[in-house]
Amino acid sequence: NAGVTQTPKFQVLKTGQSMTLQCAQDMNHEYMSWYRQDPGMGLRLIHYSVGAGITDQGEVPNGYNVSRSTTEDFPLRLLSAAPSQTSVYFCASADPETRGEQFFGPGTRLTVL
Amino acid sequence: GQQVMQIPQYQHVQEGEDFTTYCNSSTTLSNIQWYKQRPGGHPVFLIQLVKSGEVKKQKRLTFQFGEAKKNSSLHITATQTTDVGTYFCAGLTGGYQKVTFGTGTKLQVIP
Repeated sequence: NAGVTQTPKFQVLKTGQSMTLQCAQDMNHEYMSWYRQDPGMGLRLIHYSVGAGITDQGEVPNGYNVSRSTTEDFPLRLLSAAPSQTSVYFCASADPETRGEQFFGPGTRLTVL
Repeated sequence: GQQVMQIPQYQHVQEGEDFTTYCNSSTTLSNIQWYKQRPGGHPVFLIQLVKSGEVKKQKRLTFQFGEAKKNSSLHITATQTTDVGTYFCAGLTGGYQKVTFGTGTKLQVIP
């Protein structure tokens, strides 16, 4: 089991560029989510999904899009990057029917110039 | 919206001293979870509390969930250098739809 994987590990973008952060899990979890972590702010929920084809907004969704075409994958798209999106992004998955713990990926450190 | 506050933001302790972090939610929670994040790492699940007034122990760690299910605490007895990291609580409401993380408490242990 690889758990939750994220690519890339590091990324530098220029303002206005777009990109997709990839997230995959091999635990057959229905629940997946994206967080951003900024110093002193903790982890803030961007978008989440409770199953394939179902997504919803979290606390800070503006500037980000998600889709969930399969159980395994949950990509996060930045449509037009802004310096305010400089952050560390974590993807997580969980099986709410069992313990409910969230398994986090290793994170993507994104810098927008 | 739901807010989850954690105090203190930082804590420096001598090795062997005790440490406590407190978590307070603006709304009643269904569950609360605790995570630990080592420097440069990702959050790792520690425990989940579900019942009002619940107390759970993991070796030197004691977790409590308040009677009103709006607050929680994590207490570490006799800290060790391996306890260094940031501890987050995460509040869940309405099942597993939205999870709100606290701001975290960063623990430094001085050998």
